[in-house]
Amino acid sequence: TQLLEQSPQFLSIQEGENLTVYCNSSSVFSSLQWYRQEPGEGPVLLVTVVTGGEVKKLKRLTFQFGDARKDSSLHITAAQPGDTGLYLCAGLTGFHGSSNTGKLIFGQGTTLQVKP
Amino acid sequence: GAVVSQHPSRVICKSGTSVKIECRSLDFQATTMFWYRQFPKQSLMLMATSNEGSKATYEQGVEKDKFLINHASLTLSTLTVTSAHPEDSSFYICSARRLAGAGTQYFGPGTRLTVL
Repeated sequence: TQLLEQSPQFLSIQEGENLTVYCNSSSVFSSLQWYRQEPGEGPVLLVTVVTGGEVKKLKRLTFQFGDARKDSSLHITAAQPGDTGLYLCAGLTGFHGSSNTGKLIFGQGTTLQVKP
Repeated sequence: GAVVSQHPSRVICKSGTSVKIECRSLDFQATTMFWYRQFPKQSLMLMATSNEGSKATYEQGVEKDKFLINHASLTLSTLTVTSAHPEDSSFYICSARRLAGAGTQYFGPGTRLTVL
């Protein structure tokens, strides 16, 4: 069974602080996707990383895919109350582009609360 | 970005009735759609993979006769919860994957099902 361990599961910080969320696995993924979810809504895609060692930035968010494509991290700089939400990492396994097969393996999620 | 819609967003039904949830990809074709279930403060659990023009693939432990999936076109998949019971109450989320690309999945806004 493929697992994606996400940590921490809960994080409560003050506005302006930095934080990092980690996703680790013993499995290799074709790509890894990060989502943010608000209560009562579906996950919204933040980024997809594909290449080992890839780094992508989205304003104050920095995403990194491990060299071996087994792990990833999300770093938020100077967190704001608007960053509050559930962050989910998901690794794509068994993907074949020609036949569009494969499925996402989700981490447990990180509930982030940023206090003003 | 790609848009996926779900209808209805909320449904309340009596025990023993059936409920149909629609998932549509609005601006792209999706040969593969996915149905997830999410419990409060938890991550997403894949129920089944829906393939256009063929039978759905169900995850272990998911009853295919209870959760009927139909993927009739490249933009529409439906999930029917048959003979619903209170334990079926949950947040159901669909997602769709583009035919080409890195396998990125886009999620619908979810459907809150409450069975009385």
